Amino acid sequence: DAKTTQPPSMDCAEGRAANLPCNHSTISGNEYVYWYRQIHSQGPQYIIHGLKNNETNEMASLIITEDRKSSTLILPHATLRDTAVYYCIVQSGGYQKVTFGTGTKLQVIP
Amino acid sequence: GAVVSQHPSRVICKSGTSVKIECRSLDFQATTMFWYRQFPKKSLMLMATSNEGSKATYEQGVEKDKFLINHASLTLSTLTVTSAHPEDSSFYICSSSVAGVDTQYFGPGTRLTVL
Repeated sequence: DAKTTQPPSMDCAEGRAANLPCNHSTISGNEYVYWYRQIHSQGPQYIIHGLKNNETNEMASLIITEDRKSSTLILPHATLRDTAVYYCIVQSGGYQKVTFGTGTKLQVIP
Repeated sequence: GAVVSQHPSRVICKSGTSVKIECRSLDFQATTMFWYRQFPKKSLMLMATSNEGSKATYEQGVEKDKFLINHASLTLSTLTVTSAHPEDSSFYICSSSVAGVDTQYFGPGTRLTVL
């Protein structure tokens, strides 16, 4: 079973920051938080991951709470091309199989 | 990032025929590949884990004799849907990881329609 909980859908105005929350209260010490997104009819795309520190790359920022029980993916300036289903996943690394939850469908509105 | 390709991107076949889907890692060696299936408006469901040079490990409820997986090289895994039926119509996606890196890289997917 998926180890994460996400809201089923969210809207965001174009140009504004999109903040996508994820709860992972049962995360263990060696598990990372990964975020992927899936644009309609395409394979999922890696966005960002982290263990306990906040992370930032060219696509997004990842904020992980101190107790690691939740995290937030931030798209700083959402565009229409960011409309997708966003999946938050916890995995312990290596060649570990990934279990997808239902994700959050983000709709960026013009 | 690492690139994974799939072929074909879309296939339509008659009921009872077999369909082969290829998954290739283009710029890295993939010891392990994963196969997923996704029905409309649903999340990805893991079908099996494909290991180079050994038998695949199937998830509970996935028929290994119907979904044949071959991982004969470090850059190619194939999924064959045998005796396909309309209920096998789905979006099939493969993924893999680069050695030493935990991130999974996904193929673009294959849309299978069985008439």
